[in-house]
Amino acid sequence: DTGVSQDPRHKITKRGQNVTFRCDPISEHNRLYWYRQTLGQGPEFLTYFQNEAQLEKSRLLSDRFSAERPKGSFSTLEIQRTEQGDSAMYLCASSSVQGPYNEQFFGPGTRLTVL
Amino acid sequence: AQKITQTQPGMFVQEKEAVTLDCTYDTSDPSYGLFWYKQPSSGEMIFLIYQGSYDQQNATEGRYSLNFQKARKSANLVISASQLGDSAMYFCATQAGKSTFGDGTTLTVKP
Repeated sequence: DTGVSQDPRHKITKRGQNVTFRCDPISEHNRLYWYRQTLGQGPEFLTYFQNEAQLEKSRLLSDRFSAERPKGSFSTLEIQRTEQGDSAMYLCASSSVQGPYNEQFFGPGTRLTVL
Repeated sequence: AQKITQTQPGMFVQEKEAVTLDCTYDTSDPSYGLFWYKQPSSGEMIFLIYQGSYDQQNATEGRYSLNFQKARKSANLVISASQLGDSAMYFCATQAGKSTFGDGTTLTVKP
């Protein structure tokens, strides 16, 4: 088991461009979560999936953000028309509802910088 | 709605001593879980310990224990015998489906 992986690890883009991040969860995990973390803050929930179904999406998420998990395995998070306020670390986590605690295992994150 | 409050932005502890990191929570869910995660300077989030809302006993995992007081809605993390490698950010989180995190406490262990 290689853990949760995220790609890319770093992304620098210009304001107004679209970006897409990928997350590969632990293979047997059926839940996948996306969070955003800015410096000095805790992770902020964006959305989560159980298998391919998107169960909840934060009201903080604007229409510029979309996430998919088409086959219940990897997930993508797309940000359209990026703004400087989107600069943050984007964390992906996965968990198994069969686990004793349903604790989340986090990936290393994708650091986004919008110039 | 869920809310986590961590009132200690930073804490210092001498190596080999114990330290308590505070966490209070507010949730309308009748059944919930409380988690603590560690985030070293390298950035990865590491699961430490879990407490279920219906668990009768306080959770323990090695040097970590959770002082769970349901009536006060607090779930403080106790780290015993602190080590230099314990220096990190610590986050308390509640989970019912999604997770809600506090803003964290930066722990510095002094040699």
